Amino acid sequence: NAGVTQTPKFRILKIGQSMTLQCAQDMNHNYMYWYRQDPGMGLKLIYYSVGAGITDKGEVPNGYNVSRSTTEDFPLRLELAAPSQTSVYFCASSISGIVSYNEQFFGPGTRLTVL
Amino acid sequence: QKEVEQDPGPLSVPEGAIVSLNCTYSNSAFQYFMWYRQYSRKGPELLMYTYSSGNKEDGRFTAQVDKSSKYISLFIRDSQPSDSATYLCAMSWGTSYGKLTFGQGTILTVHP
Repeated sequence: NAGVTQTPKFRILKIGQSMTLQCAQDMNHNYMYWYRQDPGMGLKLIYYSVGAGITDKGEVPNGYNVSRSTTEDFPLRLELAAPSQTSVYFCASSISGIVSYNEQFFGPGTRLTVL
Repeated sequence: QKEVEQDPGPLSVPEGAIVSLNCTYSNSAFQYFMWYRQYSRKGPELLMYTYSSGNKEDGRFTAQVDKSSKYISLFIRDSQPSDSATYLCAMSWGTSYGKLTFGQGTILTVHP
């Protein structure tokens, strides 16, 4: 199993450009998450999904959109990129979010710089 | 006040030292407590998980939860250079759909 994969690894965007960060998992996990990690700030939840067709906002959703058409894929869309969106983005998945034990498996991250 | 506070360090210790990493939290609804380890330029990976108050041991690692004080700790015995990483505490409550609230992370360096 490849686990959670993310593309691209790095990207530089100009202010106002748009892009999609790709995330895929091959573990048949129902739950998927997008986090951003800023230096010294831990991880903050952007969006999450509990299954195909179901998504909801996390702590910092402004400026982002998501969709979940399949169990495997959970892309994150940035519209009108701003310097404040410069960060490292992590996608994660877990088999369930309801049971008490909920190990999230993380991808390797996408480093995004907006100039 | 942040929901979860973690001293970002950095923390530098000699090989073989006992390391203590700590987090405090303000939300009494948190029930599940985790420690993730993140190597440089990698995604976090789950190190330990505990539920409610008490201790849990796994090899050189011990996780401790004190819900009355809203305080959790991770102890690393006989620390090794390979333990050099960022350690993130994370918490969730029962009906949160797995949503985790993370601390800021503590950068640990173990030097030979």
